[in-house]
Amino acid sequence: DVKVTQSSRYLVKRTGEKVFLECVQDMDHENMFWYRQDPGLGLRLIYFSYDVKMKEKGDIPEGYSVSREKKERFSLILESASTNQTSMYLCASSPVGGYHNSPLHFGNGTRLTVT
Amino acid sequence: AQKVTQAQTEISVVEKEDVTLDCVYETRDTTYYLFWYKQPPSGELVFLIRRNSFDEQNEISGRYSWNFQKSTSSFNFTITASQVVDSAVYFCALSEAGAGNNRKLIWGLGTSLAVNP
Repeated sequence: DVKVTQSSRYLVKRTGEKVFLECVQDMDHENMFWYRQDPGLGLRLIYFSYDVKMKEKGDIPEGYSVSREKKERFSLILESASTNQTSMYLCASSPVGGYHNSPLHFGNGTRLTVT
Repeated sequence: AQKVTQAQTEISVVEKEDVTLDCVYETRDTTYYLFWYKQPPSGELVFLIRRNSFDEQNEISGRYSWNFQKSTSSFNFTITASQVVDSAVYFCALSEAGAGNNRKLIWGLGTSLAVNP
């Protein structure tokens, strides 16, 4: 069964900390995505990657960076966590093709709280 | 500009009722894709269906059916004989086809469906 795994289900961090959210997929997918989900705002794309070491900004990249050193792993980094980054973070992957035309496979999400 | 509107924020039905979730979209492209995803309380979004703009045939999968009408720019989702397990947030999304990093998936805000026993 195909799977996208996010390393943590719940995470609590302090303001100013550097935070790493990890995502691994076992489907050999080229494309990987990071979204955040907030009540009333829906899903917003932070970054995506269509190949190893490649990355593209989404709609709300400010305050975030990403790393894709291996095909199966896509990390989201909060350089200096702030309270407005408290959110549900969703990782997704999709096979080669139009980046945003293929069905997405999602992980279970990481609920991050920044205090 | 692309836009997806799910006008129903929350719907509550009693088990075995039929329920339709509305999705209206805006796009200037002639080639595009429409999607529905389900997010149960566990949090993981699950892909339900993708439809391209040239295929207006309605789709049925068990108790689920989708009605795509380009004339009204709608892609509505109907659950027949709803069950408690259908309780979830349902998202509609739109993607314009073609290459280009500026093409993105546009999401509706979701409809929260509660099916009560």
